[in-house]
Amino acid sequence: EAQVTQNPRYLITVTGKKLTVTCSQNMNHEYMSWYRQDPGLGLRQIYYSMNVEVTDKGDVPEGYKVSRKEKRNFPLILESPSPNQTSLYFCASSSQRRNTEAFFGQGTRLTVV
Amino acid sequence: AQTVTQSQPEMSVQEAETVTLSCTYDTSESDYYLFWYKQPPSRQMILVIRQEAYKQQNATENRFSVNFQKAAKSFSLKISDSQLGDAAMYFCAYRRRGGNQFYFGTGTSLTVIP
Repeated sequence: EAQVTQNPRYLITVTGKKLTVTCSQNMNHEYMSWYRQDPGLGLRQIYYSMNVEVTDKGDVPEGYKVSRKEKRNFPLILESPSPNQTSLYFCASSSQRRNTEAFFGQGTRLTVV
Repeated sequence: AQTVTQSQPEMSVQEAETVTLSCTYDTSESDYYLFWYKQPPSRQMILVIRQEAYKQQNATENRFSVNFQKAAKSFSLKISDSQLGDAAMYFCAYRRRGGNQFYFGTGTSLTVIP
């Protein structure tokens, strides 16, 4: 089954404690991205990757890091989380060649206290 | 940069009735794709319908259809015979043909009244 797998689904952490949210897709998509969803603001792009070892900032990259060492995986790293990073996070992938829709992971509800 | 605007933060509809959700976008491109995504309480983002800008015919998927007005840069979603399961947040999205980035609106929360 074609899917984007994102873990964990829920995470509560304390300010400053490094965390990683994993994302993996099995569709051989070139393009992957991370979004955060906040009430009234819709989905805002944090980082994206056009292929292995190629990443770039989206609209709200401050406080986040990513890496793309393998085509299928695109983890999101918060090295020192702060309460303003409390949000709902989505990983998404899409094909560069076929101009299809974005496929989303299940979402991660992150709370930083 | 492209922008996508959903001017209705909340909408409601009676069960079995029809509702239309609005979306406008700003682009200088002539070839692009538009999407409507549904986000139920489970949070999963589900593709509802897709429209290719070079196609004049409006897309339809069962009870869901769009009114695509390219000159007006408008892309509304019509839900016919609304059901309780249609209650969700709906997002409009844009992607340039050959591009990778998706641009999303701020969403419309749809309530279905029994």
